[in-house]
Amino acid sequence: GQQLNQSPQSMFIQEGEDVSMNCTSSSIFNTWLWYKQDPGEGPVLLIALYKAGELTSNGRLTAQFGITRKDSFLNISASIPSDVGIYFCAGQPPGGGYGGATNKLIFGTGTLLAVQP
Amino acid sequence: NAGVMQNPRHLVRRRGQEARLRCSPVKGHSHVYWYRQLPEEGLKFMVYLQKENIIDESGMPKERFSAEFPKEGPSILRIQQVVRGDSAAYFCASSPGQRPNEKLFFGSGTQLSVL
Repeated sequence: GQQLNQSPQSMFIQEGEDVSMNCTSSSIFNTWLWYKQDPGEGPVLLIALYKAGELTSNGRLTAQFGITRKDSFLNISASIPSDVGIYFCAGQPPGGGYGGATNKLIFGTGTLLAVQP
Repeated sequence: NAGVMQNPRHLVRRRGQEARLRCSPVKGHSHVYWYRQLPEEGLKFMVYLQKENIIDESGMPKERFSAEFPKEGPSILRIQQVVRGDSAAYFCASSPGQRPNEKLFFGSGTQLSVL
């Protein structure tokens, strides 16, 4: 099946630093999503991207949908301690279902972010 | 993710027992998804249901696993004769309409531990 390669696996940074993480796939996706998961909780949607080349911001977060539709990156600027958590990319593959896309998401393996004050 | 309620939060079962996981979607949402997460991995899709219908169960094992979303009441993920490999966090998500992944709200999950 389709897989998403997410990197890096983990990052340990100082407060105030910028962070970048990315996801790549050998297959195309119709939608890219970025989630944050805190320990013992479900993922929370941060940013959704719907078109190739799209660049979207949400506060200190910026994400882009790669032009080939096979990759996406997430940047976090000026990190703060509450940014700690696991960040997941997720893609919606093309196929049947509504709008030409399936209803299931393929998740990356996650990037663990630790921020030292 | 406020509004999707899953219970129990933690469930311990011995091998061979049954596990029943419940999910109440956000009020008014009629689309429910179940995902499984193994330690240090991403979530893996299991099943997608609408009220009284299973739409896509391609990610769910054919044996021992079943899911339902009745007209009234919560969605139930049922695992019969659990084995150690079933130990995982099970997340439910709901959405309001036909572009499900635009607004997919996840619950806090049920951590299943099989002894």
